[in-house]
Amino acid sequence: AQSVTQPDIHITVSEGASLELRCNYSYGATPYLFWYVQSPGQGLQLLLKYFSGDTLVQGIKGFEAEFKRSQSSFNLRKPSVHWSDAAEYFCAVAHGGATNKLIFGTGTLLAVQP
Amino acid sequence: DSGVTQTPKHLITATGQRVTLRCSPRSGDLSVYWYQQSLDQGLQFLIHYYNGEERAKGNILERFSAQQFPDLHSELNLSSLELGDSALYFCASSATVNTGELFFGEGSRLTVL
Repeated sequence: AQSVTQPDIHITVSEGASLELRCNYSYGATPYLFWYVQSPGQGLQLLLKYFSGDTLVQGIKGFEAEFKRSQSSFNLRKPSVHWSDAAEYFCAVAHGGATNKLIFGTGTLLAVQP
Repeated sequence: DSGVTQTPKHLITATGQRVTLRCSPRSGDLSVYWYQQSLDQGLQFLIHYYNGEERAKGNILERFSAQQFPDLHSELNLSSLELGDSALYFCASSATVNTGELFFGEGSRLTVL
């Protein structure tokens, strides 16, 4: 069965510091991979996605993620964090086909210190 | 603003009651998805409708049902409510069915007392 693991429940970084959020997936074939962000009181917003091709994908708000098949990972990165990046981040996997059913990880809550 | 509208935003009710959550997808989107977000279960896929037809079903309880109407809005009906049904219920829509690009509403927070 497909699954997604986000090992870090909570991360705190200083404003201006770099960020890496970890995501590992379990799936038999090449999955479709996503990162979504949820700001307080808001719905989820798609940051970026990987389907195939270049393993380094760029997203909105200066985020990027790298797909590493050998490590079954899809880590999210940002070189310099802004206070407005404080939110909860969810990694998700889908297998395409006839449905967009997404399997989400448990999320990583990011706090940004001034 | 994702373009997905959910009502009501907050709902407080008692155990044993029935509630209906409503979702209007983005203009032109044929797919509607329902997710439940709770502290203990995280984000759980409930059900997917495409152009009025059920396309996929997840961990949706038998006490819950959904439908998508000809105008593409969707309703999630929750009956015989239990304390454990308290959660944030998200609706999402998409223009395609196989890319995982979902647009989420702001959710309906259900509290069962």
